[in-house]
Amino acid sequence: AQSVAQPEDQVNVAEGNPLTVKCTYSVSGNPYLFWYVQYPNRGLQFLLKYITGDNLVKGSYGFEAEFNKSQTSFHLKKPSALVSDSALYFCAVREFNQAGTALIFGKGTTLSVSS
Amino acid sequence: GAVVSQHPSRVICKSGTSVKIECRSLDFQATTMFWYRQFPKKSLMLMATSNEGSKATYEQGVEKDKFLINHASLTLSTLTVTSAHPEDSSFYICSAREWTDPYEQYFGPGTRLTVT
Repeated sequence: AQSVAQPEDQVNVAEGNPLTVKCTYSVSGNPYLFWYVQYPNRGLQFLLKYITGDNLVKGSYGFEAEFNKSQTSFHLKKPSALVSDSALYFCAVREFNQAGTALIFGKGTTLSVSS
Repeated sequence: GAVVSQHPSRVICKSGTSVKIECRSLDFQATTMFWYRQFPKKSLMLMATSNEGSKATYEQGVEKDKFLINHASLTLSTLTVTSAHPEDSSFYICSAREWTDPYEQYFGPGTRLTVT
């Protein structure tokens, strides 16, 4: 079975400092990896994805993620955090199921950026 | 970009009643739609996958008779929670996949269900 792990429940960082939200995955074939952000009582907002190509993926709101096949990781990063980045972040991997493809989500990491 | 809507955004119902949640793809045809359930501060749990015109495929542990899913058109899927109980209270999120793009899923804004 395919899975994705987010080892940290919460990440705290001061505004202006770099941030990293960790994600590791387990798949049998090639991974298709995604990052989403969720604000309270809202749906998911797409940040970025890795399908193929360059290992460094740039996404929305200044976020980027680096695909590392040897470490099976896809950590989310941002050079300078903003208070408005405080939210719940999900890493997801795509897998096949009986009727099509579905995203399998990590448990989520709460990012708290202090001013 | 592709937009997915959900209606209602919030619903409160009494225990024992049924409630229907709609998921619509507004500007694309969604051959496949997915229904997720999210508990507070928890991950999204895939409930079922539905392809237009066919029966939904439910994940293990999800009661198909309780969570009825219909995907009658390329732009609409519905989730009906039958005989709702307080433990069904949750945030339900749908997503849709356009037939031309096998990689993307577009998520709806979610529906907060509270069963009293």
